[in-house]
Formats: sequence, C-alpha cells, structure tokens
Amino acid sequence: NAGVTQTPKFQVLKTGQSMTLQCAQDMNHEYMSWYRQDPGMGLRLIHYSVGAGITDQGEVPNGYNVSRSTTEDFPLRLLSAAPSQTSVYFCASAVGGVYNEQFFGPGTRLTVL
Amino acid sequence: TQLLEQSPQFLSIQEGENLTVYCNSSSVFSSLQWYRQEPGEGPVLLVTVVTGGEVKKLKRLTFQFGDARKDSSLHITAAQPGDTGLYLCAGAGNDMRFGAGTRLTVKP
Repeated sequence: NAGVTQTPKFQVLKTGQSMTLQCAQDMNHEYMSWYRQDPGMGLRLIHYSVGAGITDQGEVPNGYNVSRSTTEDFPLRLLSAAPSQTSVYFCASAVGGVYNEQFFGPGTRLTVL
Repeated sequence: TQLLEQSPQFLSIQEGENLTVYCNSSSVFSSLQWYRQEPGEGPVLLVTVVTGGEVKKLKRLTFQFGDARKDSSLHITAAQPGDTGLYLCAGAGNDMRFGAGTRLTVKP
C-alpha cells in the first residue's frame, strides 16, 4: 500500500492563479481531510469528508474548494491564490471517522508570490 | 485563538532528562490523540486516549487524559536524541482540531 499520496511536493504560484492539490489514498478510508500548517499555528483544518459525495467545512475554508467523487481521491482547489495561502498543506485519511488514527501524506509546500 | 493550547512551545533538554508537555482546552473532547512530526513529513500517531483519567504508556512515553477530558499531558522519561520532533495534540469532536505543538530538541 502506498498510503496517502500528495502531489505536487512543491509549488510556486503567482497571486490570482488557481491550482489543484491532489490527494489519494489506497486504504479504503471513509474519512479524509485537508490541513494547512503554518509556523506557530499548528495544523488547521480546511475541509473534510466523511465519505464519497459528502464534504464539510473546517476551521479555515475560505479560498478553498473540495469535492469527493470517489473514496480514494480528495482534491483541494485554490480558486484565486493569495500570499496568505502560502503554507504547507497536508492531506489525511482515517478509517471510519475522526476518532480513529489519521494517516497523513508527506505534504505540499505552496508559495504564493 | 487555538482551541487546544500546548505548552511549552519550545523545549531544549539534554539526553537523559525527563520532561512533560501539556495540552489544555476549555472544551470537552470525545478522545484526544498525540502525534509526533519530523521535519518534511506528516504527523504520525503515537496514542489515542478516550476515557477521563486514562493513562497509557508507550515505552518511555506516558500519556494522561484529564478526568474532565479537557486536557492531557505527555511525559518522557530519560529523553533520547531520537525523541526530537514536534509533538502535537489533537482533540476529536465533530472534526479533529490540533494544537500548535511543542517543538522538542534533545541534545546528545
């Protein structure tokens, strides 16, 4: 099993550009989530999904969209990138739900100029 | 404002010393998890505590969940350089919220 994979590993965008961060898991986990990690702020939840076709907002959803058309994939879309979105983004998955162990991907380091 | 407050934010100690880090909240959680994160990687789960007052041991690491399920502590005995990393606590409610972490450095 590859676990949770994220692409790209690094990305530089200009303000106003859009892009999609990819996340896939091969563990058949129902629960998937996106976090951003900033210095001194820890991990902040952006969006999460409890299963295919179901998504919900987390703590910091503004400027981000998600969809969950399959169990395996949970892409995160930045609609119009802003410098405040410079961060490291982590995708995670868990069997069942939020109470269980979350498995994290290796992260995507995004810089918005 | 963080839902979960972790202290201290930074901790640098010598190999062999003991230490305790704390995770506090005004909210009650159904369960609380501790993760360790190394540079350039995602967090990895160390333990989940569920019951108020619960104590779990993982080799030299002892985790305690407060009686009211609002706080937790992590105690490391005889720290080693391999314990160096960012220790994060996370509380489960409708979703999972993380604290800002304690960055631990253990010097040989």
